[in-house]
Amino acid sequence: GQQLNQSPQSMFIQEGEDVSMNCTSSSIFNTWLWYKQDPGEGPVLLIALYKAGELTSNGRLTAQFGITRKDSFLNISASIPSDVGIYFCAGRDTGGFKTIFGAGTRLFVKA
Amino acid sequence: ETGVTQTPRHLVMGMTNKKSLKCEQHLGHNAMYWYKQSAKKPLELMFVYNFKEQTENNSVPSRFSPECPNSSHLFLHLHTLQPEDSALYLCASSQTVQETQYFGPGTRLLVL
Repeated sequence: GQQLNQSPQSMFIQEGEDVSMNCTSSSIFNTWLWYKQDPGEGPVLLIALYKAGELTSNGRLTAQFGITRKDSFLNISASIPSDVGIYFCAGRDTGGFKTIFGAGTRLFVKA
Repeated sequence: ETGVTQTPRHLVMGMTNKKSLKCEQHLGHNAMYWYKQSAKKPLELMFVYNFKEQTENNSVPSRFSPECPNSSHLFLHLHTLQPEDSALYLCASSQTVQETQYFGPGTRLLVL
């Protein structure tokens, strides 16, 4: 079945550093989504990408929909302690009916 | 606040108990979902409802029984669960099954 490979699994960084994480798949997706999950809460949508090559920002977050439609990355600039959490990528297939989630990247930020 | 609420937020139950999880969305969406989230595993889709009709059941054991009385409410009835069913159960909704899903805060379930 379709799978998303999300990396890295976890990251330990210093406050102020930039962060990059990505998702890859052997399948083509029509939509890429990035969610953040705070401890004890549900995932919250950060950025949605709908077109190959699209680059979208949301504050200090920037995400891109890969040209091949098989990958996406998320960058966080100048990290702060509240960036701690699990970041999930998700891809929606070409039929639009299935959303596949990555296993998540756990981000730890040291003040 | 995403517009999707779940109750209870935490639940501890014995293996012989019967309990229900409730989800309500205030977004006017037509599709609702139940997911299971276990430690260090990807989100597992359990059930999908579209306009109150169940459209997907991903081989979920019968001890989990969903109910969708209307487009705004979704329940997950639990009966004779096993300890390995302990997890965070997340509800989500979307305008249609082809659009972006918005999640509730989850119910943290512990089965003893």
